[in-house]
Amino acid sequence: GQNIDQPTEMTATEGAIVQINCTYQTSGFNGLFWYQQHAGEAPTFLSYNVLDGLEEKGRFSSFLSRSKGYSYLLLKELQMKDSASYLCAVRVNSGGYQKVTFGTGTKLQVIP
Amino acid sequence: GAGVSQTPSNKVTEKGKYVELRCDPISGHTALYWYRQSLGQGPEFLIYFQGTGAADDSGLPNDRFFAVRPEGSVSTLKIQRTERGDSAVYLCASSPVVVGRDYGYTFGSGTRLTVV
Repeated sequence: GQNIDQPTEMTATEGAIVQINCTYQTSGFNGLFWYQQHAGEAPTFLSYNVLDGLEEKGRFSSFLSRSKGYSYLLLKELQMKDSASYLCAVRVNSGGYQKVTFGTGTKLQVIP
Repeated sequence: GAGVSQTPSNKVTEKGKYVELRCDPISGHTALYWYRQSLGQGPEFLIYFQGTGAADDSGLPNDRFFAVRPEGSVSTLKIQRTERGDSAVYLCASSPVVVGRDYGYTFGSGTRLTVV
């Protein structure tokens, strides 16, 4: 199976930068996703990394180190609307197909 | 449709009853996933379809749960003899064969199942 670890909760200040870490242990790794989920809503896709390095998309960036089983999501210029849960998900090759498993999520609270 | 559609959005049922949850994926998406999410938890994998066949059903908790996708499009998750522990939000997601930097899995809004 896959072990995916993320902090349960984080708090950050509006306008600041926050980094949400995710570590995983798995075999057959084939990509890592970050999703944002507001309370009572479905998860929405933020980023995808399959190679080592940093992917930047506006205020959000995601980093992956495959050798360390480590990823982070970086949120810059935080806004109140960024208060949400952030889910790390790992895709693995499973019997010729691909399976995506989610972590429990990090609940981020942005305060004024 | 433009997105993944799930019906009903809410379902309240009595313990022991049978329920069906429907997922209509984005047209042309070959991969379809069912997840279950309890409050404060991440989505828990249930089953994955590639086309019409269940490629991986290892997440189904027991034999009361079953899912089908007979024509490779709409999928139905079926739960027999529901129990109070089945109460959760059931999420469906779909994707094309290839996902990448700008496109991941698209989730529906979910069905909130409450077993009383």
